[in-house]
Amino acid sequence: GESVGLHLPTLSVQEGDNSIINCAYSNSASDYFIWYKQESGKGPQFIIDIRSNMDKRQGQRVTVLLNKTVKHLSLQIAATQPGDSAVYFCAENIRGYSTLTFGKGTMLLVSP
Amino acid sequence: GAGVSQSPSNKVTEKGKDVELRCDPISGHTALYWYRQSLGQGLEFLIYFQGNSAPDKSGLPSDRFSAERTGGSVSTLTIQRTQQEDSAVYLCASGHRDRGSSPLHFGNGTRLTVT
Repeated sequence: GESVGLHLPTLSVQEGDNSIINCAYSNSASDYFIWYKQESGKGPQFIIDIRSNMDKRQGQRVTVLLNKTVKHLSLQIAATQPGDSAVYFCAENIRGYSTLTFGKGTMLLVSP
Repeated sequence: GAGVSQSPSNKVTEKGKDVELRCDPISGHTALYWYRQSLGQGLEFLIYFQGNSAPDKSGLPSDRFSAERTGGSVSTLTIQRTQQEDSAVYLCASGHRDRGSSPLHFGNGTRLTVT
């Protein structure tokens, strides 16, 4: 089965709310994680990454949290905007391997 | 600077025909990947090129699929005798994977439809 998966396939929020997108991974050898945003008709766009020696990393309006104990990754988007509507993928890199493994994605729908 | 460029953006072909998909990676990126994305699905790894090393072909679904990377830059993914199940978006990505963990940068993909 897949090493990386998502809990919620679709998340609907109101503009201005905070959004949390979750991701579970199963391989304890994974040491690098990335969140991507994919809008319709476009390729995945890098949002933020985190290495396994960290448990939190912040960007502009986004925060990634890593809980290695339960193998859980989350993406928090503050003050969600309609332009944030997209599919969000988490991806993991297993130590020693060169490829990224992607989950199926969560669709975020932001209502004005 | 320019991002990853893929062509064509859309390709419709008849079952049994061969197709070639092109990828121009970001200049200076040593690593190049091909992924496939079926409708509503995640990304499926196909093949990986790193510098002058032998490519990792472990993700290619059948021997109808092949890829080349000439001069360490442009890559072509070839699908021979296309089947309807080959219909998908084919995504190319490049990066600095030789520098340890780093993100991949994706093109907008080629949407392949096999009729």
